[in-house]
Order: sequence, then structure tokens, then C-alpha cells
Amino acid sequence: SAVISQKPSRDICQRGTSLTIQCQVDSQVTMMFWYRQQPGQSLTLIATANQGSEATYESGFVIDKFPISRPNLTFSTLTVSNMSPEDSSIYLCSVSGLAGVDVETQYFGPGTRLLVL
Amino acid sequence: QKEVEQDPGPLSVPEGAIVSLNCTYSNSAFQYFMWYRQYSRKGPELLMYTYSSGNKEDGRFTAQVDKSSKYISLFIRDSQPSDSATYLCATLTGGGNKLTFGTGTQLKVEL
Repeated sequence: SAVISQKPSRDICQRGTSLTIQCQVDSQVTMMFWYRQQPGQSLTLIATANQGSEATYESGFVIDKFPISRPNLTFSTLTVSNMSPEDSSIYLCSVSGLAGVDVETQYFGPGTRLLVL
Repeated sequence: QKEVEQDPGPLSVPEGAIVSLNCTYSNSAFQYFMWYRQYSRKGPELLMYTYSSGNKEDGRFTAQVDKSSKYISLFIRDSQPSDSATYLCATLTGGGNKLTFGTGTQLKVEL
């Protein structure tokens, strides 16, 4: 498996501001993903972070609201822009494509708990 | 209709009981079926995954997939208090990367 860290682990933000969440993996991976987990709801994929190119967003999520970077094979960031209370959620990074591991296997980071006031 | 349905619970069982957790899905294209365990304030941890129909066993855990009825199960034998967590089922199409999750079932194993 991989060791995945996320920063910050939690934050309380004011509406209208932006927060950038970092995801770091201890080994190179092919794929990195960003999910949102809202209370009582399924984990929902926001986007796939592509190295060296624009992220691929799922229906209902747009780049202006959730800009994503992936400068290399071990690091990605997700920014939650112009936040509103509806953005309060847990944001999770996941990875797949570790060497020697089935590509279908995704590992998750510990999550970033965001509260927007 | 959600693509993956899962009873949110909570499910409370005594220590040592056999636990059965279940999901149903609607998309016939799903070919990979995962079970994740998520402790409070932690990220999901992959327990097991199976490809297509059949059973897979790992220690006290058995995953079962019936593609004809679109039904996914996870059985936990000799349940322990440390098994108390939320269990998430997830599915994946062949060649795809997007995991589709159920809402999770909260399990509590009591002494």
C-alpha cells in the first residue's frame, strides 16, 4: 500500500475565501483523485488529477470552483474557491497505479475536514 | 435511483456474532467490487476487492458478489469491538477509474 498524507487535516474558513488542500504520496503513482464526503452521502468523485495537464472533472464540478494541480507523480493540490457553507465537507485524496499493485486498487488519504462559516 | 444502494444502519451486534453487510447496484457494467472500512475521523481503508461474481475470503472477512441479482455482500465472522466502523461498498467498471460508492453502513460491535 501507499502512505498518503493530506494537509491541512482540518480547517474552519470564512465564506468567500479559498482553501488549498495538499496530498502527498510516499511513492510514485499513476492516478490521483479527489473525492468529497458529505454527511449521510456517498463519497463522490470530484475530479481526476492528471500530471502535466488539466484535471478531468465529474459532472457537477467545475475547474473555477475546484482548481486542481498535479506537478509530479507524488503530489497534488485541490483548491476550494469562493467557499460557502455548502462546501463544508470532508475532502479526500486517493491514488492508484502503485508499482506491483492492481490498477483497480485505490488507496485513500486521511481526509481534510472543512467547515465554512 | 442511486447506482449503488446501501442501508446506512446503524447495525449493532454482540461480540462474536456473524455480521452481514449488503449492497445492491444497478449498472451491469460494474465488474470490480470493493469493500472499504472507515473508522471515525479517518480515511477509507481497502479491505477486499473481487472481480465479477464469486466469493473471496481473507481471514474473518468474506466478500461475495452475485452479478445475476446485482447484489454485493461482506460477511464478518467472530466480530470484534475493533470491527466497529463504517463499511463502504464501491464498484468500478472494467477499464475505468471512477469508484461509485454506497453511503456506508455504520457497524457497532458491543462487548
